[in-house]
Amino acid sequence: NAGVTQTPKFQVLKTGQSMTLQCAQDMNHEYMSWYRQDPGMGLRLIHYSVGAGITDQGEVPNGYNVSRSTTEDFPLRLLSAAPSQTSVYFCASSYSSRGQGETQYFGPGTRLLVL
Amino acid sequence: AQTVTQSQPEMSVQEAETVTLSCTYDTSESDYYLFWYKQPPSRQMILVIRQEAYKQQNATENRFSVNFQKAAKSFSLKISDSQLGDAAMYFCAGNGGTYKYIFGTGTRLKVLA
Repeated sequence: NAGVTQTPKFQVLKTGQSMTLQCAQDMNHEYMSWYRQDPGMGLRLIHYSVGAGITDQGEVPNGYNVSRSTTEDFPLRLLSAAPSQTSVYFCASSYSSRGQGETQYFGPGTRLLVL
Repeated sequence: AQTVTQSQPEMSVQEAETVTLSCTYDTSESDYYLFWYKQPPSRQMILVIRQEAYKQQNATENRFSVNFQKAAKSFSLKISDSQLGDAAMYFCAGNGGTYKYIFGTGTRLKVLA
């Protein structure tokens, strides 16, 4: 199993540009989530999904869109990038859509720089 | 609402010694789960240990153990026989009553040779 994969590893954007961060898992996990990690702030939940076709907002959803058309993929879209979105982004997944208490498996992260 | 607080931005420990990292988790839920994750310089998040709040027994994984004090909302991580490879950021996280996992701000652990 490849586990949780994320692409790209690093990206530079200009303010106003759009892009999609890709996340895929091959463990048949129902629950998937996106976090951003900023210095001194830990990981903050952006969006999550409990199964294909079902998504919901986390702590910091503004400026980000998600969709979940398949169990395997959970892309994160930035519609109009802002410097405040400069961060490291992590995708994670866990086995059960119950979500609660399940161990999350993390991808390697995507470092995003918005100029 | 749930909150996770890690009040130690940085800790140091001598190799082979023991260190304890602190965390407090506040929630109105009676059933919840607590986690410690390790993030080495590679940035990969790795689960260290998991504790279920309804279990009386503290979780243990080899050199890592927790001291869970439910009434005090305390969830500390003890690392015994510290090794150079233990140097990393450590994040405490909680999940109770919702699909949302909340992380603390992290503690950077330095291991001195």
